[in-house]
Order: sequence, then C-alpha cells, then structure tokens
Amino acid sequence: GEDVEQSLFLSVREGDSSVINCTYTDSSSTYLYWYKQEPGAGLQLLTYIFSNMDMKQDQRLTVLLNKKDKHLSLRIADTQTGDSAIYFCAESIKARGSTLGRLYFGRGTQLTVWP
Amino acid sequence: DSGVTQTPKHLITATGQRVTLRCSPRSGDLSVYWYQQSLDQGLQFLIQYYNGEERAKGNILERFSAQQFPDLHSELNLSSLELGDSALYFCASSAPNREYEQYFGPGTRLTVT
Repeated sequence: GEDVEQSLFLSVREGDSSVINCTYTDSSSTYLYWYKQEPGAGLQLLTYIFSNMDMKQDQRLTVLLNKKDKHLSLRIADTQTGDSAIYFCAESIKARGSTLGRLYFGRGTQLTVWP
Repeated sequence: DSGVTQTPKHLITATGQRVTLRCSPRSGDLSVYWYQQSLDQGLQFLIQYYNGEERAKGNILERFSAQQFPDLHSELNLSSLELGDSALYFCASSAPNREYEQYFGPGTRLTVT
C-alpha cells in the first residue's frame, strides 16, 4: 500500500478539461483521494471515492476508479487559472490491526493552466 | 480554511537543537495525524493519535515524539535536529468514525541550518 504513482506535470489551456491520472498497487485500498496544494498552503481535500464505487461527480470534478487496472483519475472541467496547483492522489487501506487513518500519497502532479 | 491550526508557521533552527510543533484540530475532531513533506521523501505519515492515545505509527524517527493532550491539541517534538529534517510538517484531523476524511492544517516549515 505504499506505491502511488502520478505523472509530475500537466499543462492545459484555460477552459479546457484537465485529467490527472494516478495508479496504486494495493488492491485492498479502501478510500482513494484527491488533495490540492496551492503554493505556501496546506493540503485541501478535494474529493474522495470509496473503493466499491466507479465514479463520483462533484460540480466540475469527476473521479473515475478502475479497480481492475488500479487506476484513479481526476477530471476538472472548464479548468481555470485558479486551478493551478499540485494535485496529490492518496489511498488509505483498512487492514487487520490498522485504521483507515494512514494515508499513502503520490508525489503530486503540478497542474499549470495557461490563459 | 480547514479549521486545523498549526504554529509556528515557520521555524529556523540549528543542527542539534530541539523544537516543538503545535497543532489544534478542528472542533469535535478526536484524531490528529502528523505528516512530513520533503523533497526527498514526498508526503509521509508519521503518527496518529486518537483522543489522547497513540493509534498508528508510520515512518517516525526515534528522535521524534508526539503527544495529544486532554484538550486534544497535539505537539510534535523533534530533537537532535539534522539538516535532513528540514521539511514541511503537516497536522491533520478527523471526526470520530470518519477517519477517512482528513483535513489538513497549513503546515509548519522547518529549516535546519
């Protein structure tokens, strides 16, 4: 449950859709998350999905989960310059003797939105 | 604003010294988590407390210790500091029975010179 992989950079034009991808290795992941980090700020919980779901939509955000391929994606519709930030994928695993609390993070994807 | 507060925002200290980082969770949250964000290691889980008791331990060095007090605030103590301890230290909190929703504070940036 410790290998969460993301591409490091993504650039898009304002108004386009952005798709940020993530792969994870632990098939017993219980929740998968997307966090956003702006410069000098903490981590903002954007959205999360329970592992028995395939999709979750929340306004401009769509999360897709492919459990077979252990692939998670975050689609941001109508991307704005204010969406420029680092986006972290994370997973939590419920295993015997442990809690859900420990999050395993990817290295983050720097999203740059050009006007 | 997540409702989680951390102090200080920045800390600069010398090798060999000891520092204490402080975290206040959101109102009503019983769990507190500490994470370290560094260029080398990325974001790593250090330790979790629930209502004053240690619940889970991650990649926390023996030189580091933490506690959670009766008022639920938490402190992370870092001693015998090394240059490699320079990092952003985040605290997060979650509500009872909602450990899957962690809200992060703004972090403390520690620079060891």
